[in-house]
Amino acid sequence: DQQVKQNSPSLSVQEGRISILNCDYTNSMFDYFLWYKKYPAEGPTFLISISSIKDKNEDGRFTVFLNKSAKHLSLHIVPSQPGDSAVYFCAASPGGSQGNLIFGKGTKLSVKP
Amino acid sequence: ETGVTQSPTHLIKTRGQQVTLRCSSQSGHNTVSWYQQALGQGPQFIFQYYREEENGRGNFPPRFSGLQFPNYSSELNVNALELDDSALYLCATRPPTGDYGYTFGSGTRLTVV
Repeated sequence: DQQVKQNSPSLSVQEGRISILNCDYTNSMFDYFLWYKKYPAEGPTFLISISSIKDKNEDGRFTVFLNKSAKHLSLHIVPSQPGDSAVYFCAASPGGSQGNLIFGKGTKLSVKP
Repeated sequence: ETGVTQSPTHLIKTRGQQVTLRCSSQSGHNTVSWYQQALGQGPQFIFQYYREEENGRGNFPPRFSGLQFPNYSSELNVNALELDDSALYLCATRPPTGDYGYTFGSGTRLTVV
């Protein structure tokens, strides 16, 4: 039973536009959420995180929004660039910053020039 | 030394054999986790070591075992290999701070035939 779900396997966006990647979770014990980016033949790279006590965290072009009541989070990339093309994984932790990570299946983002 | 290095990058083993995968990390990164990523799936947590002791384990059988050494390197051992063990195995480390920036290696691609 998947506790972290990324229901869109792929997303295609035009360069300069906004990319919105979505993630749903089922376990209300999750209190820390992260997004990772993965290029082929490389390990996942940490992008941005958010604690359950916040509803928004911003870092440059990347913003993560958390809606606890809906058990939903999203990653916004503005503006999207061709170099952002990668697989994006949503991950959650039940143990704050000390716990293990539970990942979704990923969304493949393609940013077209 | 920076980054997380995993070896070997690729490996082919026969069903029933045993395998050892290795990971070396940055100095001071005293937490190491191992993940299994099957094709089309997100990484799945195997176990975590902190100061050479296992302090967390996912839903994997005992034939998956590990070690962490004083020099921050780590091993993942899998006995009695099964075909379903074919996957990308990722090592992730982080420093002893509250920041949740896990650094992942590029992984070892294991194929069991």
